[in-house]
Amino acid sequence: GQQVMQIPQYQHVQEGEDFTTYCNSSTTLSNIQWYKQRPGGHPVFLIQLVKSGEVKKQKRLTFQFGEAKKNSSLHITATQTTDVGTYFCAGSYNQGGKLIFGQGTELSVKP
Amino acid sequence: DAGITQSPRHKVTETGTPVTLRCHQTENHRYMYWYRQDPGHGLRLIHYSYGVKDTDKGEVSDGYSVSRSKTEDFLLTLESATSSQTSVYFCAILAPSGAGGEQYFGPGTRLTVT
Repeated sequence: GQQVMQIPQYQHVQEGEDFTTYCNSSTTLSNIQWYKQRPGGHPVFLIQLVKSGEVKKQKRLTFQFGEAKKNSSLHITATQTTDVGTYFCAGSYNQGGKLIFGQGTELSVKP
Repeated sequence: DAGITQSPRHKVTETGTPVTLRCHQTENHRYMYWYRQDPGHGLRLIHYSYGVKDTDKGEVSDGYSVSRSKTEDFLLTLESATSSQTSVYFCAILAPSGAGGEQYFGPGTRLTVT
């Protein structure tokens, strides 16, 4: 079946360091979305990537969609304590808006 | 937060009892989803609905049923709860945009089956 793999599962960084999480799908995606979940909270939509090779930025966050539309990454420059949480990618295969979520990367930031 | 509420927010129940979780939206969106979240598994889709009385299974639907008699309400029922159904349950709605759409999540229900 369709699967979205996400690595790493955990990442501990010192404040100011960069952070990257990667997602890989076994089959071509229609689009990929990224969500952030703060501890004890619910997932919150960050961004959607649709086009092959697309790159989008939100302040210190850079999102990329691979040329083959099978992989994606989220890079955070100069992490801050407010970046703490779990970041999920979610792939869409164009089936009624259904998303297949990656396992998530839990980011902790040491001040 | 996109007008999605879930009830109850916390529940402890015994093995073998039926449990119903409710998701309510105020935005009149067509698509609604139920997920469960467990450590190491991310979010897994249980069931989803694409309209009143229109529902379909997700990847982990065994032991769960759903109903949608009104646009605003999507109910998830565990007919006979088991300890493996201890989890955090999230409801979500799809806000269509562009080539897909964003999902907005409710606050979650923490269910413990003893």
